[in-house]
Amino acid sequence: AQKITQTQPGMFVQEKEAVTLDCTYDTSDQSYGLFWYKQPSSGEMIFLIYQGSYDEQNATEGRYSLNFQKARKSANLVISASQLGDSAMYFCAGGESYNTDKLIFGTGTRLQVFP
Amino acid sequence: EPEVTQTPSHQVTQMGQEVILRCVPISNHLYFYWYRQILGQKVEFLVSFYNNEISEKSEIFDDQFSVERPDGSNFTLKIRSTKLEDSAMYFCASSEGLAGDDTQYFGPGTRLTVL
Repeated sequence: AQKITQTQPGMFVQEKEAVTLDCTYDTSDQSYGLFWYKQPSSGEMIFLIYQGSYDEQNATEGRYSLNFQKARKSANLVISASQLGDSAMYFCAGGESYNTDKLIFGTGTRLQVFP
Repeated sequence: EPEVTQTPSHQVTQMGQEVILRCVPISNHLYFYWYRQILGQKVEFLVSFYNNEISEKSEIFDDQFSVERPDGSNFTLKIRSTKLEDSAMYFCASSEGLAGDDTQYFGPGTRLTVL
C-alpha cells in the first residue's frame, strides 16, 4: 500500500523568493505517479504538476518544478518567485498504475507568502 | 479548458436525511472518483467508478453510500441516512486513465453540513 508523507505542517516564504515543499513516498508498485495539488482557502483542489515514475526528467510547469529523487523516494515541489496568491495548502498525492485506482494524499503543507 | 463541475456547492441537511451530490466529469474521461475531506484533515478516497461499475471502494464507503452514472454526463454520490460525522467537503474527480499514469482533475467540491 502506498504512503505519502509531508513533514512540514507550515512554511513561510517572502514574496519573490523560492520555496521547497517536501514529500516522501512509499510504494511497492514499479509504476506510479506523484502529483501536487493546491488548495486555496476557497476549498477547491487545483492540479499543479505530475511526475511519472519512469520520467527521467524532473517535471516543470511554469513556476512549479518537481525535484524527483527516486532513490530517496522524494518528490519535492519547488515554487520559484513566490507570489502572494501562492498562499494555500499544498498536498502531495501518489497513484499506482496497477494495484489501485485511488490517490493517496499527504497531510498537506500550509504555505504563507508574505510581502 | 474542460473542468469537473459539482452541484450544489453547499448542502445543509438534517441527520437521518438522504442527500445526493452531483458531478459532471470531464467529457472524454473514463474514470470517476469521489473523495472526501473532513475539515482540517487530509483528503480520503471513497470510491472509483469505471465502465459503469464500481472498480474500487474504501472502508468508508459502506452500505450508506452509493454511486450512479444515470446518463452520459452525470455522476452522483448518494448518502443515505446521513450522520453528523458525514459533514465534510466531498470532491468528485475524473481522469483519462489509471491513477499512476493520468492526472485526476477535481471539481470545486460540495460542502456537506449535517445538523
